[in-house]
Amino acid sequence: KAGVTQTPRYLIKTRGQQVTLSCSPISGHRSVSWYQQTPGQGLQFLFEYFSETQRNKGNFPGRFSGRQFSNSRSEMNVSTLELGDSALYLCASSSRDLGDTGELFFGEGSRLTVL
Amino acid sequence: DQQVKQNSPSLSVQEGRISILNCDYTNSMFDYFLWYKKYPAEGPTFLISISSIKDKNEDGRFTVFLNKSAKHLSLHIVPSQPGDSAVYFCAASRWTGTASKLTFGTGTRLQVTL
Repeated sequence: KAGVTQTPRYLIKTRGQQVTLSCSPISGHRSVSWYQQTPGQGLQFLFEYFSETQRNKGNFPGRFSGRQFSNSRSEMNVSTLELGDSALYLCASSSRDLGDTGELFFGEGSRLTVL
Repeated sequence: DQQVKQNSPSLSVQEGRISILNCDYTNSMFDYFLWYKKYPAEGPTFLISISSIKDKNEDGRFTVFLNKSAKHLSLHIVPSQPGDSAVYFCAASRWTGTASKLTFGTGTRLQVTL
């Protein structure tokens, strides 16, 4: 079974630009979550989508947005980039069956550098 | 409000010895606790989990202990191997019936030396 695929793996942008990151979950997984990883901050939750609906949202400004398509693929967008947005953005999928442990399967991440 | 805390940013252990990684939490409503391992340039991978109704779960060299009264869990790796060198994230999960969210700690970097 193919794992979680994220594209692009690396990208460089300048302040003020916008960026779109893509995530293809494991086949059959309907839940996709996005996390931001920065040194010293661990993994900060951005949002979760399930069947095209955003179910959970973290404490990030409105510049961070996402969506999920009918095939469960997801995209996240960051507008008006700031230097502090430089981070590894991780996508994770899960089946979210009733009573599951909350285990997530992560992709390798998209490393964004804002200059 | 950091609900899941890993107070040790790094740990160095000699090969063959025991590694003990610690994690504290504040929310007593968490259902499961998980440990993830992350190598550089890779996404985190699931290592082991424990239900909030258990106090120990073992999988090979990895054992997780949960002390609910202290709101504390720990991951024991015995014996430690050089390949265990990575960043370890503690996470806590709460299922509401329709959705759940994993809350992560800030990670502990484990270095296993020869």
